Amino acid sequence: EIVLTQTPLSSPVTLGQPASISCRSSQSLVHSDGNTYLSWLQQRPGQPPRLLIYKISNRFSGVPDRFSGSGAGTDFTLKISRVEAEDVGIYYCMQATQFPPTWTFGQGTRVEIK
Amino acid sequence: QVQLVQSGAEVKKPGASVRLSCKASGYTFTSYYLHWVRQAPGQGLEWMGMIHPGRGTTAYAQRFQGRITVTRVTSTSTVYMDLSNLTSDDTAIYYCAKDQSAFDIWGQGAMVTVSS
Repeated sequence: EIVLTQTPLSSPVTLGQPASISCRSSQSLVHSDGNTYLSWLQQRPGQPPRLLIYKISNRFSGVPDRFSGSGAGTDFTLKISRVEAEDVGIYYCMQATQFPPTWTFGQGTRVEIK
Repeated sequence: QVQLVQSGAEVKKPGASVRLSCKASGYTFTSYYLHWVRQAPGQGLEWMGMIHPGRGTTAYAQRFQGRITVTRVTSTSTVYMDLSNLTSDDTAIYYCAKDQSAFDIWGQGAMVTVSS
């Protein structure tokens, strides 16, 4: 079973400053079709999760360009170039495995304003 | 617009079963997987299972095997999730999510409380 480990688990950030979250997988996430289905979700307090980034680095519709994703293989990163107040919440990485079909989430990283 | 609308909150006794629904609109229902994810109070996200509404094929997380059944009714674009033999550990918010290379659209969530 693939395990996703996020660091840090908590990230106090000053408004306007950058933030970075790491997601490390216990195995390579390269799918048999050549894609890597690693995505990032944001969950604001009291809200359902919201897709930010899919397939490592593709920004979902309506997501501000201050959010970016990068990485390959087993190591992935979500960056927020300049944190705004509305970015407060918990961020999750997640992956899809083909055999057996399984979807896994990281533990979550709490982003808060200092 | 694309949306998933879930049924409302439920309160169940231990040992009971619960059925949750997720109604899709704004896209071709039969084309994309629909998943169920839950979140216990103060905890992270946990994948439970999924269905391909077009084919009817399902897959479940091992820890829920034997307790979970996901079905769909294509005429109403609705997916159902049945969870049986509930315990207090099943108290959580349950979400459905559409999968188009990622979980791009989420339902609003349904709180299930299991209490005697």
